[in-house]
Amino acid sequence: DTAVSQTPKYLVTQMGNDKSIKCEQNLGHDTMYWYKQDSKKFLKIMFSYNNKELIINETVPNRFSPKSPDKAHLNLHINSLELGDSAVYFCASTVGSEAGELFFGEGSRLTVL
Amino acid sequence: GENVGLHLPTLSVQEGDNSIINCAYSNSASDYFIWYKQESGKGPQFIIDIRSNMDKRQGQRVTVLLNKTVKHLSLQIAATQPGDSAVYFCAENRAAGNKLTFGGGTRVLVKP
Repeated sequence: DTAVSQTPKYLVTQMGNDKSIKCEQNLGHDTMYWYKQDSKKFLKIMFSYNNKELIINETVPNRFSPKSPDKAHLNLHINSLELGDSAVYFCASTVGSEAGELFFGEGSRLTVL
Repeated sequence: GENVGLHLPTLSVQEGDNSIINCAYSNSASDYFIWYKQESGKGPQFIIDIRSNMDKRQGQRVTVLLNKTVKHLSLQIAATQPGDSAVYFCAENRAAGNKLTFGGGTRVLVKP
């Protein structure tokens, strides 16, 4: 059984479009994250939610809007996509609120043309 | 600003040899450090962690060393195997902190 699952795995779209990536964890974890990994493999935190409450918003453009309908789900909606949004987006989760042993999904590769 | 680790260097190692991956951090407030392994096409996977009240911690074939004086962290992999080929990241946090900051990663290539 997949612990942290993201959909879609690949997403190719045109500039200016709006797209969403979904994430679900079946680990019973309290905290979920979105990370962005660029072409040089650098991982940067974007958002963190603890029990549906936003606790980290890391200077991400407001075109990015996370939504957590319940503590098992954290979705990412991106408006007006730009070329620089092309990256691999990783969802992760952890027990409690201390960020240490994170469980990551397989990633969603977004390509903006 | 904060800086954890280096941008992506590559370490080539012969199968069976030991690997040492290094990481430097600059945030003196950090007291919790973690190593992750990322295989191609997958998400990062937790390997081992260490808190600042320790200077060494061992796992299965892996050892993490922490030198707080020079703000240096290393991961040693014993008897490196082909399955160890991946990108390795160090990450830092503060105890009970909710933000994990990743370094730039090191690619390890294991030669048969």
